[in-house]
Amino acid sequence: RKEVEQDPGPFNVPEGATVAFNCTYSNSASQSFFWYRQDCRKEPKLLMSVYSSGNEDGRFTAQLNRASQYISLLIRDSKLSDSATYLCVVPPLDTGRRALTFGSGTRLQVQP
Amino acid sequence: ETGVTQTPRHLVMGMTNKKSLKCEQHLGHNAMYWYKQSAKKPLELMFVYNFKEQTENNSVPSRFSPECPNSSHLFLHLHTLQPEDSALYLCASSQVAGEQFFGPGTRLTVL
Repeated sequence: RKEVEQDPGPFNVPEGATVAFNCTYSNSASQSFFWYRQDCRKEPKLLMSVYSSGNEDGRFTAQLNRASQYISLLIRDSKLSDSATYLCVVPPLDTGRRALTFGSGTRLQVQP
Repeated sequence: ETGVTQTPRHLVMGMTNKKSLKCEQHLGHNAMYWYKQSAKKPLELMFVYNFKEQTENNSVPSRFSPECPNSSHLFLHLHTLQPEDSALYLCASSQVAGEQFFGPGTRLTVL
């Protein structure tokens, strides 16, 4: 299994829809996870941290399933402005490394 | 504002030129990173510095030479690049192994 895997999408959803992405990871000892958002031709920006069972911020909910080793991001009432690539980020599998491992991203396109 | 700045924002250079990218972080972090992102591709980690010491070099060609004079500044020196090196170069900083904060990137075009 890769350190982190994401469905590349694209996920095409209408405005107002609820959409969820999953991200699987290899390191069962991982304690902290992150979701980043990256707009086209821009830098990634931290969206949410996931340290325990989950985290909620407005329309966004991140959940962690340790038994199955995946984290999810749920977006409710999708807005056009939610269109972006969502990157799942996990601690490195190699304990000798310091940098977090970024997934390749899931692209979301919210349509009017 | 992310607290991480990068200059220049855009750079066009020939294959025989030498140029440098600069990154500065104002967040008090002790780790800094260089990433490369080619068009429609995932982030590729290039270099990692912790407390000014290079801790990771992900098989990056020697035509890319990083420099970290202190925990707040990071440079990427470029020489004899190839057209396939054209990409967005992103700098990030963090506390060690913590969430990373990115600069706006330098969009590099090699002619």
